[in-house]
Amino acid sequence: DAKTTQPPSMDCAEGRAANLPCNHSTISGNEYVYWYRQIHSQGPQYIIHGLKNNETNEMASLIITEDRKSSTLILPHATLRDTAVYYCIVRVASVDSNYQLIWGAGTKLIIKP
Amino acid sequence: DARVTQTPRHKVTEMGQEVTMRCQPILGHNTVFWYRQTMMQGLELLAYFRNRAPLDDSGMPKDRFSAEMPDATLATLKIQPSEPRDSAVYFCASASETGKGEQFFGPGTRLTVL
Repeated sequence: DAKTTQPPSMDCAEGRAANLPCNHSTISGNEYVYWYRQIHSQGPQYIIHGLKNNETNEMASLIITEDRKSSTLILPHATLRDTAVYYCIVRVASVDSNYQLIWGAGTKLIIKP
Repeated sequence: DARVTQTPRHKVTEMGQEVTMRCQPILGHNTVFWYRQTMMQGLELLAYFRNRAPLDDSGMPKDRFSAEMPDATLATLKIQPSEPRDSAVYFCASASETGKGEQFFGPGTRLTVL
């Protein structure tokens, strides 16, 4: 599986857009980019995933560069409840891969009032 | 509101005692994962099942840990005997074969072994 690199921590002002970067320069053509977050004392929560096109859902947007070597998770209007550790993971999404996810250290995002 | 449930949420026990943690996956999900999280090691995969069959338990200390799925609605993780180094938060997650790899996590069991 491709390795990901994320900054260990970031701050963002409440109400502003939070942009979380992730580098995955060794990503393969059939690997998806997944984002999860873990709010303190809770289980990880799936946010979004994508292959090559940009994706948007009710939680966030995912921007993947054309060469797919990096991506950015965007929380458009961050709130204090978005304070969490955000994990970027790349993985082949197939039954054969059994959906195993390899978790790094993630980015600790702190939303400040 | 479909969720993964885990019991107990907290468990304090003494070294040498048996610990059993339970997980109810989301109805219809056929893949179940057990993870352990500590400050030092982060989130580690212990084992996972598909259609109740264990597919990989290489992350689990075999001598003391065991994982089973007695039926499609129940997964168990047992530690016998428990040791202080087993203190961690244990998460269960489930996934659907028809999904695209997203896993749905339970709230975790916080285990403290004294």
